[in-house]
Amino acid sequence: DADVTQTPRNRITKTGKRIMLECSQTKGHDRMYWYRQDPGLGLQLIYYSFDVKDINKGEISDGYSVSRQAQAKFSLSLESAIPNQTALYFCATSDFLGREQFFGPGTRLTVL
Amino acid sequence: AQSVTQLDSHVSVSEGTPVLLRCNYSSSYSPSLFWYVQHPNKGLQLLLKYTSAATLVKGINGFEAEFKKSETSCHLTKPSAHMSDAAEYFCAVSPVSGGYNKLIFGAGTRLAVHP
Repeated sequence: DADVTQTPRNRITKTGKRIMLECSQTKGHDRMYWYRQDPGLGLQLIYYSFDVKDINKGEISDGYSVSRQAQAKFSLSLESAIPNQTALYFCATSDFLGREQFFGPGTRLTVL
Repeated sequence: AQSVTQLDSHVSVSEGTPVLLRCNYSSSYSPSLFWYVQHPNKGLQLLLKYTSAATLVKGINGFEAEFKKSETSCHLTKPSAHMSDAAEYFCAVSPVSGGYNKLIFGAGTRLAVHP
């Protein structure tokens, strides 16, 4: 089984809809991250969490919110999706030293 | 502020020839540097990381990177490309030496390998 899983893997939604992307990990890591990837821009950090009670905004948090339900689960929500949020979204984890980040397989989101 | 510039958006090589993927960075602190690879429809996989020890770092799949502080560069190389190396490669910097605060990614370099 994969250490970092993301659901759904693909999602098509309409403008204005609320959508949640979920991430689970079995690595026992404290730190979790959400990134979005756009062609030609690399990965940009949306939110990160160093433990269940510690959530921080990244570079591009506007329009997004997160929930750290447990050490192993970190969800990303789009309260009212818009077309320019169409992207590939990655979840990642690292241990408390942050020596390496481990990435999930990604969720491809299309907002029509 | 920290930033990462990958100098080529696309690189094309023939199988069996050397690979060079270029990355320059700027950082106010002694950085940690990472190279990740992303194969189609897959997540990112760590190739190698530099954390202020040896300047030449060996990674997986025959890749290595040379960290040059004077040039603020950390280019990725491989002596002989294989078809399976075709992927997108990302350079990333963390401003905290030996640890992690936030990863800042370059825009990526797409490597094509031709027979």
